[in-house]
Amino acid sequence: DGGITQSPKYLFRKEGQNVTLSCEQNLNHDAMYWYRQDPGQGLRLIYYSQIVNDFQKGDIAEGYSVSREKKESFPLTVTSAQKNPTAFYLCASMAHTGGGNTIYFGEGSWLTVV
Amino acid sequence: SQQGEEDPQALSIQEGENATMNCSYKTSINNLQWYRQNSGRGLVHLILIRSNEREKHSGRLRVTLDTSKKSSSLLITASRAADTASYFCATVVMNRDDKIIFGKGTRLHILP
Repeated sequence: DGGITQSPKYLFRKEGQNVTLSCEQNLNHDAMYWYRQDPGQGLRLIYYSQIVNDFQKGDIAEGYSVSREKKESFPLTVTSAQKNPTAFYLCASMAHTGGGNTIYFGEGSWLTVV
Repeated sequence: SQQGEEDPQALSIQEGENATMNCSYKTSINNLQWYRQNSGRGLVHLILIRSNEREKHSGRLRVTLDTSKKSSSLLITASRAADTASYFCATVVMNRDDKIIFGKGTRLHILP
């Protein structure tokens, strides 16, 4: 089945550690996104990528890093520079739009700092 | 900063009633989309309306778009308990193709 897979579903991080969240899609989509969602809040864009080997900062990129070495994969690293990383992280993808395509989401990853 | 702002932030209605949610945005857009999120899950696409469309229907959903007011509304008719969820609008920003911005969402609760 086609879709987006995020892993792990739940992750605990000690303060000062970097952690990487995986996002894989087999939809052959060009664009991929990472969003952060805090409890009861909306989605805030962290990074997005329109094509392999290229990505752009979103609204809250500080403390995060990404790579896009393969079309199918867009991992997000939450670095120790991110002071408040506890949140729900959502990965998404979309075919190149021309203004009309739908964005598909993974099931999300919960990150908790302990 | 958030592109879209939904209102109300929260809405409780009786089962069978209609639910209306609104979304305002700031920049010119290619299209506007509505999504649904059950607690702790990913978002599911509901409906897309292009910038040159004014109204669109899908089952019990009706979406309107007023580009002059930079606003959209989502109407869910004959609500059911299973409609309880958060609803978000998302805009694809003109001249920044593929950048999609979400609002803060409306939390809808259907009372039995």
